[in-house]
Amino acid sequence: EAEVAQSPRYKITEKSQAVAFWCDPISGHATLYWYRQILGQGPELLVQFQDESVVDDSQLPKDRFSAERLKGVDSTLKIQPAELGDSAMYLCASSNHRVSDYNEQFFGPGTRLTVL
Amino acid sequence: AQSVTQLDSHVSVSEGTPVLLRCNYSSSYSPSLFWYVQHPNKGLQLLLKYTSAATLVKGINGFEAEFKKSETSFHLTKPSAHMSDAAEYFCVVSDPGNQFYFGTGTSLTVIP
Repeated sequence: EAEVAQSPRYKITEKSQAVAFWCDPISGHATLYWYRQILGQGPELLVQFQDESVVDDSQLPKDRFSAERLKGVDSTLKIQPAELGDSAMYLCASSNHRVSDYNEQFFGPGTRLTVL
Repeated sequence: AQSVTQLDSHVSVSEGTPVLLRCNYSSSYSPSLFWYVQHPNKGLQLLLKYTSAATLVKGINGFEAEFKKSETSFHLTKPSAHMSDAAEYFCVVSDPGNQFYFGTGTSLTVIP
């Protein structure tokens, strides 16, 4: 069964360092999402891509976070510089969404980030 | 606007007894609703979804949920809890742009 791939699974970094996370969605899924999940809370959307275009990045802290999906397939989320409050699980999801349909999102295993 | 309220942050049941996880939603549209499960340090797995077909939805692992428009509820149930059901459960409502709005989650503990 096809799955969303993420790497690394765990990342420990010191504050002010740069970190990057990678996501490979299910083949053929045009929509890709990055979420941040703080311990004990539900995921919150950071950015949504439709193919290579950003659909919504209103909750992305753009002073330190960036996301790209250059060829409309895999995606990278970067944080520079990392802050203590960025410690969280970063989840990637993809869907085969069309404008008139409601489709489930398929989630990857996540990257657990710890900032020291 | 779309939102979800999960009425219990923690639920504890004995193995073999029924499970009830409660969810109320608010939506400006005819809603699509989902239940996801998350085991520790894992991603989210879809249990079931409602998309305006049958109001009683059956999912994986014996779970089911009933959409009640008059009560704006989408409660998750299972007749008999198993130890492997211990996890975090999220109720989700989506908008026409397929953006998901998550509840704060319900942690299910199963007592042997």
